Amino acid sequence: NAGVTQTPKFRILKIGQSMTLQCTQDMNHNYMYWYRQDPGMGLKLIYYSVGAGITDKGEVPNGYNVSRSTTEDFPLRLELAAPSQTSVYFCASSYWNSGYPQETQYFGPGTRLLVL
Amino acid sequence: KNQVEQSPQSLIILEGKNCTLQCNYTVSPFSNLRWYKQDTGRGPVSLTIMTFSENTKSNGRYTATLDADTKQSSLHITASQLSDSASYICVVSLNSGYALNFGKGTSLLVTP
Repeated sequence: NAGVTQTPKFRILKIGQSMTLQCTQDMNHNYMYWYRQDPGMGLKLIYYSVGAGITDKGEVPNGYNVSRSTTEDFPLRLELAAPSQTSVYFCASSYWNSGYPQETQYFGPGTRLLVL
Repeated sequence: KNQVEQSPQSLIILEGKNCTLQCNYTVSPFSNLRWYKQDTGRGPVSLTIMTFSENTKSNGRYTATLDADTKQSSLHITASQLSDSASYICVVSLNSGYALNFGKGTSLLVTP
């Protein structure tokens, strides 16, 4: 299994440009997540999904959009890039059900985004 | 307000020595507490997960302890190796799934 894969690894955007960060998992996990990690700060949840077709906002959703058309893929869309979105973005996935509360989240390698 | 506080912020130890990292949390109601290891430039990797009823859990040279009454946890690393150099993140969950509160991490450097 490849686990959680993310592309691209690094990207420079100009203010106002848009882009999509790709995330794919091959573990048949129902939950998927997008986090951002700013220097010296803890990870912040942007969006999450509990299954195909179902998404919801996390702690810091402004400026981002997501979709989940398949179990495997969970892309993150930035419509109008701003310098405040300079960060490292991590995608994660997990399998959760009520009978297994100690689910482990598996993280991708991250996408480093610089907005200038 | 960060509900998960970790200390120290950074730590340097000699190879072969032991060390203990601390985590205090105010998250409530508490479901489980996790410790992750994050190598530079990589995503976090799970080390341990403990529910409120568990006092200790080990993963090789890593041992996590939990005191749910005082809302404190610690991660003890035994016989440190150079490969232990990383950021160690304490994560507290309100309930399983998306509701995770991440600490800022402790940066550990193991030197020869």
